[in-house]
Amino acid sequence: QQQVKQSPQSLIVQKGGISIINCAYENTAFDYFPWYQQFPGKGPALLIAIRPDVSEKKEGRFTISFNKSAKQFSLHIMDSQPGDSATYFCAAATVYNNNDMRFGAGTRLTVKP
Amino acid sequence: DAGVIQSPRHEVTEMGQEVTLRCKPISGHDYLFWYRQTMMRGLELLIYFNNNVPIDDSGMPEDRFSAKMPNASFSTLKIQPSEPRDSAVYFCASSSSTLPNTQYFGPGTRLTVL
Repeated sequence: QQQVKQSPQSLIVQKGGISIINCAYENTAFDYFPWYQQFPGKGPALLIAIRPDVSEKKEGRFTISFNKSAKQFSLHIMDSQPGDSATYFCAAATVYNNNDMRFGAGTRLTVKP
Repeated sequence: DAGVIQSPRHEVTEMGQEVTLRCKPISGHDYLFWYRQTMMRGLELLIYFNNNVPIDDSGMPEDRFSAKMPNASFSTLKIQPSEPRDSAVYFCASSSSTLPNTQYFGPGTRLTVL
C-alpha cells in the first residue's frame, strides 16, 4: 500500500523555471520527511529533509514546504538547471522506527535548456 | 570512503535459477537495508538489519527471497528460484545509528530474469 503519494509522475520545466513536486502522507505518526535525488544508473541520494516542527526548509535552490494540517509537503527547485534532471523521491518515516522509510513513487524531472 | 558497494551491477539469468546479490555497507554503519525498485511499485523496502540481525523482513515478497548478514561488512540477498517478475533494480543502503535518518544507497543491481 502506498503510504506516501507523490505527484506528478513526470515533469518538464524550462531552464530557469521553478519545479514543484508534491507529496501527501496518511500516517500522522510520520515525523521525518526527506527528499532523495536519483540520477540514471545511480542509487538515490539524500537531497534535503524536514521535520514537522518547521513549515519550510531551504538549502540553496531547493526548498521543502510542509503543511502539517493538510499532511502534505512539497519540493521546490528554483532556477531549475539541466543538471537537476533526475528522478526525485519523497519519503516519510517515524521517530519510533526511522529506519522504516516509506517512499513515494518518484517524479522524473526533465529541465530543458 | 568507497560508499556502499554492490555486485554484480547487472545480472541476467533464466527463470528457475538461483540469484545472489551482494552488498558491502559503509564501514562503521550498523544498519543495512535491501530495497527493490520497479516502475510499477516504485522503491520498496524488503528487509533491514541492525548489527547484523534482521529486524523487519515484512517486505520480503515470498519464501523464494532470503537475506543474510554474516558480518558487519557483508550482506547477501538470494532469490531461489528466480521468476521473470523478480526483474527489477535491487538497492542496498546503509546508515549509522548516530545519524539514523540518512540512508546511503549503493549503485544497485539490475536483475533481468528471462
